[in-house]
Amino acid sequence: DAGITQSPRYKITETGRQVTLMCHQTWSHSYMFWYRQDLGHGLRLIYYSAAADITDKGEVPDGYVVSRSKTENFPLTLESATRSQTSVYFCAALPGGPETEAFFGQGTRLTVV
Amino acid sequence: GIQVEQSPPDLILQEGANSTLRCNFSDSVNNLQWFHQNPWGQLINLFYIPSGTKQNGRLSATTVATERYSLLYISSSQTTDSGVYFCAAHAGGTSYGKLTFGQGTILTVHP
Repeated sequence: DAGITQSPRYKITETGRQVTLMCHQTWSHSYMFWYRQDLGHGLRLIYYSAAADITDKGEVPDGYVVSRSKTENFPLTLESATRSQTSVYFCAALPGGPETEAFFGQGTRLTVV
Repeated sequence: GIQVEQSPPDLILQEGANSTLRCNFSDSVNNLQWFHQNPWGQLINLFYIPSGTKQNGRLSATTVATERYSLLYISSSQTTDSGVYFCAAHAGGTSYGKLTFGQGTILTVHP
Protein backbone atom coordinates (compact mmCIF):
# COMPACT_ATOMS: atom_id res chain seq x y z
CA ASP A 1 0.00 0.00 0.00
CA ALA A 2 1.22 3.48 -0.81
CA GLY A 3 1.75 5.69 2.15
CA ILE A 4 4.03 6.94 4.85
CA THR A 5 4.99 5.05 7.99
CA GLN A 6 6.98 5.99 11.07
CA SER A 7 8.73 3.83 13.61
CA PRO A 8 8.77 3.40 16.47
CA ARG A 9 5.38 4.72 17.58
CA TYR A 10 6.60 5.22 21.14
CA LYS A 11 10.11 5.59 22.52
CA ILE A 12 11.56 6.31 25.94
CA THR A 13 15.24 7.17 26.09
CA GLU A 14 17.69 8.61 28.56
CA THR A 15 19.31 12.00 28.42
CA GLY A 16 22.51 11.92 26.39
CA ARG A 17 21.66 8.86 24.33
CA GLN A 18 21.45 8.83 20.58
CA VAL A 19 18.10 7.90 19.12
CA THR A 20 16.90 7.58 15.55
CA LEU A 21 13.32 7.95 14.37
CA MET A 22 12.49 6.29 11.09
CA CYS A 23 10.26 7.48 8.26
CA HIS A 24 9.47 5.49 5.14
CA GLN A 25 7.30 6.49 2.19
CA THR A 26 6.30 4.48 -0.85
CA TRP A 27 5.89 7.25 -3.42
CA SER A 28 9.58 7.13 -4.41
CA HIS A 29 10.34 10.67 -5.51
CA SER A 30 8.87 12.91 -2.86
CA TYR A 31 9.58 15.91 -0.74
CA MET A 32 9.87 14.85 2.91
CA PHE A 33 9.68 16.71 6.20
CA TRP A 34 10.09 16.27 9.93
CA TYR A 35 7.93 18.27 12.34
CA ARG A 36 7.69 18.27 16.10
CA GLN A 37 4.51 19.03 18.00
CA ASP A 38 4.55 20.57 21.45
CA LEU A 39 1.82 22.09 23.56
CA GLY A 40 1.66 25.81 22.94
CA HIS A 41 3.75 25.65 19.77
CA GLY A 42 1.71 23.65 17.29
CA LEU A 43 3.75 21.85 14.63
CA ARG A 44 7.18 23.22 13.85
CA LEU A 45 9.46 22.19 11.01
CA ILE A 46 12.78 20.57 11.97
CA TYR A 47 14.29 19.50 8.63
CA TYR A 48 13.15 18.88 5.10
CA SER A 49 14.41 17.16 1.99
CA ALA A 50 13.67 17.84 -1.66
CA ALA A 51 15.29 14.61 -2.91
CA ALA A 52 17.96 12.07 -2.03
CA ASP A 53 21.06 13.78 -0.62
CA ILE A 54 19.31 17.18 -0.56
CA THR A 55 18.34 18.30 2.92
CA ASP A 56 18.00 21.63 4.69
CA LYS A 57 17.14 23.08 8.06
CA GLY A 58 13.72 24.18 9.12
CA GLU A 59 12.62 26.34 12.03
CA VAL A 60 14.01 24.24 14.94
CA PRO A 61 16.97 22.12 13.70
CA ASP A 62 19.32 22.35 16.69
CA GLY A 63 20.17 18.97 18.20
CA TYR A 64 18.91 17.00 15.20
CA VAL A 65 20.58 15.38 12.20
CA VAL A 66 18.94 13.96 9.08
CA SER A 67 20.06 11.96 6.10
CA ARG A 68 18.44 10.81 2.91
CA SER A 69 20.61 8.30 1.09
CA LYS A 70 17.53 6.56 -0.34
CA THR A 71 14.55 8.52 -1.63
CA GLU A 72 12.05 6.44 0.36
CA ASN A 73 13.67 6.85 3.78
CA PHE A 74 14.23 9.98 5.84
CA PRO A 75 15.58 9.15 9.33
CA LEU A 76 15.82 11.78 12.05
CA THR A 77 18.59 11.37 14.63
CA LEU A 78 18.89 13.01 18.01
CA GLU A 79 22.64 12.80 18.57
CA SER A 80 22.49 13.43 22.33
CA ALA A 81 18.90 13.53 23.53
CA THR A 82 17.80 16.24 25.95
CA ARG A 83 14.58 16.55 27.94
CA SER A 84 13.55 19.51 25.80
CA GLN A 85 13.35 17.11 22.88
CA THR A 86 10.48 15.25 24.51
CA SER A 87 7.78 15.71 21.91
CA VAL A 88 5.63 14.08 19.28
CA TYR A 89 7.44 13.84 15.97
CA PHE A 90 5.66 13.71 12.62
CA CYS A 91 7.10 12.82 9.27
CA ALA A 92 5.37 14.15 6.15
CA ALA A 93 5.67 13.75 2.40
CA LEU A 94 4.50 15.61 -0.67
CA PRO A 95 4.37 12.89 -3.29
CA GLY A 96 3.13 15.17 -6.05
CA GLY A 97 5.67 17.95 -5.61
CA PRO A 98 5.95 21.13 -3.54
CA GLU A 99 2.54 22.56 -4.45
CA THR A 100 0.46 19.49 -3.78
CA GLU A 101 -1.20 17.75 -0.86
CA ALA A 102 0.94 16.70 2.10
CA PHE A 103 0.47 13.40 3.93
CA PHE A 104 1.59 12.68 7.47
CA GLY A 105 2.76 9.58 9.26
CA GLN A 106 1.18 8.35 12.48
CA GLY A 107 3.70 10.16 14.67
CA THR A 108 6.33 9.03 17.17
CA ARG A 109 5.91 9.97 20.80
CA LEU A 110 9.40 10.41 22.26
CA THR A 111 10.06 10.83 25.95
CA VAL A 112 13.54 11.75 27.17
CA VAL A 113 14.06 11.01 30.86
CA GLY B 1 8.02 33.60 6.35
CA ILE B 2 4.29 33.20 6.08
CA GLN B 3 2.20 33.62 9.22
CA VAL B 4 -0.89 31.48 9.82
CA GLU B 5 -3.48 32.37 12.44
CA GLN B 6 -6.55 30.36 13.40
CA SER B 7 -9.65 31.31 15.27
CA PRO B 8 -11.27 30.62 17.60
CA PRO B 9 -8.65 28.80 19.72
CA ASP B 10 -11.34 26.77 21.47
CA LEU B 11 -14.89 25.85 20.54
CA ILE B 12 -17.45 23.88 22.53
CA LEU B 13 -20.60 22.63 20.81
CA GLN B 14 -23.60 20.48 21.46
CA GLU B 15 -24.08 17.60 19.08
CA GLY B 16 -26.00 18.72 16.02
CA ALA B 17 -24.74 22.30 16.03
CA ASN B 18 -22.93 23.95 13.14
CA SER B 19 -19.59 25.76 13.34
CA THR B 20 -17.14 27.81 11.30
CA LEU B 21 -13.39 27.77 11.83
CA ARG B 22 -11.23 30.49 10.31
CA CYS B 23 -7.65 30.54 9.04
CA ASN B 24 -5.90 33.77 8.09
CA PHE B 25 -2.57 33.79 6.29
CA SER B 26 -0.15 36.62 5.69
CA ASP B 27 0.97 35.92 2.12
CA SER B 28 -0.20 34.43 -1.15
CA VAL B 29 -0.34 30.65 -0.91
CA ASN B 30 0.26 27.78 -3.30
CA ASN B 31 -1.00 25.22 -0.83
CA LEU B 32 -3.60 25.44 1.92
CA GLN B 33 -4.66 22.36 3.80
CA TRP B 34 -7.01 21.57 6.67
CA PHE B 35 -6.26 18.70 9.02
CA HIS B 36 -8.10 17.07 11.88
CA GLN B 37 -6.00 15.69 14.70
CA ASN B 38 -8.05 13.02 16.39
CA PRO B 39 -7.80 12.07 20.08
CA TRP B 40 -5.20 9.40 19.19
CA GLY B 41 -2.94 12.07 17.73
CA GLN B 42 -3.28 11.17 14.06
CA LEU B 43 -3.34 13.99 11.51
CA ILE B 44 -6.15 13.33 9.08
CA ASN B 45 -6.26 15.21 5.78
CA LEU B 46 -9.55 17.02 5.38
CA PHE B 47 -9.05 19.36 2.44
CA TYR B 48 -6.36 20.47 0.05
CA ILE B 49 -7.78 23.84 -0.94
CA PRO B 50 -5.45 26.63 -2.13
CA SER B 51 -8.52 28.34 -3.62
CA GLY B 52 -12.22 27.79 -4.18
CA THR B 53 -14.74 25.64 -2.34
CA LYS B 54 -14.87 21.92 -1.63
CA GLN B 55 -17.32 19.72 0.22
CA ASN B 56 -16.99 16.31 1.79
CA GLY B 57 -20.10 15.12 3.57
CA ARG B 58 -20.84 17.36 6.55
CA LEU B 59 -17.61 19.28 6.08
CA SER B 60 -16.87 21.97 3.56
CA ALA B 61 -14.10 24.49 3.09
CA THR B 62 -13.66 27.75 1.23
CA THR B 63 -10.43 29.59 0.52
CA VAL B 64 -10.48 33.19 -0.71
CA ALA B 65 -6.87 33.49 -1.78
CA THR B 66 -7.11 37.15 -2.76
CA GLU B 67 -8.28 38.04 0.77
CA ARG B 68 -5.92 35.57 2.45
CA TYR B 69 -8.30 33.48 4.48
CA SER B 70 -9.87 30.07 4.53
CA LEU B 71 -12.96 28.79 6.34
CA LEU B 72 -13.85 25.28 7.47
CA TYR B 73 -17.53 24.59 8.00
CA ILE B 74 -18.76 21.69 10.11
CA SER B 75 -22.48 21.01 9.96
CA SER B 76 -24.55 18.80 12.26
CA SER B 77 -21.53 18.18 14.45
CA GLN B 78 -20.97 14.78 16.06
CA THR B 79 -18.92 13.75 19.06
CA THR B 80 -16.45 12.12 16.68
CA ASP B 81 -15.68 15.58 15.26
CA SER B 82 -13.91 16.45 18.52
CA GLY B 83 -10.21 17.08 18.30
CA VAL B 84 -7.89 19.77 17.02
CA TYR B 85 -8.30 21.34 13.60
CA PHE B 86 -5.21 22.75 11.92
CA CYS B 87 -4.77 24.75 8.80
CA ALA B 88 -1.38 24.84 7.15
CA ALA B 89 -0.08 26.94 4.28
CA HIS B 90 2.80 26.98 1.86
CA ALA B 91 3.76 30.27 0.27
CA GLY B 92 5.55 28.94 -2.79
CA GLY B 93 8.77 30.28 -4.21
CA THR B 94 11.81 28.27 -3.17
CA SER B 95 10.34 26.96 0.06
CA TYR B 96 10.20 23.34 -1.18
CA GLY B 97 6.64 22.78 -0.06
CA LYS B 98 7.28 23.59 3.59
CA LEU B 99 3.98 23.95 5.40
CA THR B 100 3.52 26.50 8.16
CA PHE B 101 0.85 25.51 10.66
CA GLY B 102 -1.56 27.61 12.62
CA GLN B 103 -1.94 27.01 16.35
CA GLY B 104 -5.11 25.02 15.86
CA THR B 105 -8.72 25.16 17.03
CA ILE B 106 -9.66 22.73 19.78
CA LEU B 107 -13.19 21.49 19.13
CA THR B 108 -15.20 19.68 21.77
CA VAL B 109 -18.59 18.29 20.83
CA HIS B 110 -20.79 17.19 23.71
CA PRO B 111 -23.55 14.58 23.30
